[in-house]
Amino acid sequence: GNSVTQMEGPVTLSEEAFLTINCTYTATGYPSLFWYVQYPGEGLQLLLKATKADDKGSNKGFEATYRKETTSFHLEKGSVQVSDSAVYFCALSQNTGNQFYFGTGTSLTVIP
Amino acid sequence: DGGITQSPKYLFRKEGQNVTLSCEQNLNHDAMYWYRQDPGQGLRLIYYSQIVNDFQKGDIAEGYSVSREKKESFPLTVTSAQKNPTAFYLCASSRYQRDRRDGYTFGSGTRLTVV
Repeated sequence: GNSVTQMEGPVTLSEEAFLTINCTYTATGYPSLFWYVQYPGEGLQLLLKATKADDKGSNKGFEATYRKETTSFHLEKGSVQVSDSAVYFCALSQNTGNQFYFGTGTSLTVIP
Repeated sequence: DGGITQSPKYLFRKEGQNVTLSCEQNLNHDAMYWYRQDPGQGLRLIYYSQIVNDFQKGDIAEGYSVSREKKESFPLTVTSAQKNPTAFYLCASSRYQRDRRDGYTFGSGTRLTVV
């Protein structure tokens, strides 16, 4: 079946630190992979995506590379800011059916 | 601007009451979804609808009901049969015959609390 596994949180970092949030997936074929961000009290917003192996998605300084050989899509940012404090969800979508499969989310807190 | 509107943002329910959460979209999307979010449990799919007048149960449909009479609207009713309804509810939409590279568009959520 399809599933997504994210690293357990919460994660607390100082401002300007390097961020990595691990995400691995189980799926058949060639799914599309996504990172969503949820700010406190809000819905989810698409942060970045990648639709085929070796693609790199990027947005707002965040990056993630679709690694089929390791079935991973780790989220990285070189220098986090307090405003990056949020919950981050990794997700996958297959090319059949119409459902997304979400990870459990990783809470990030950035302290000044 | 196109988007999804959920209302109300906060909702309080007494024991034994049914309550209805509203979800409206003007994106011309065919498919709509309801998710429940609890702390530490991520998102769980309640119901989804791919076309008007059709909907399917998700992973945790018990105690919930939906309707899809219009393309733009997908209201969720939390019935008295739902024993633990306190949660954050998210509505989402997507194109039905969508490119799998599309993501979902989410509303801003409704926080339901039993009092």
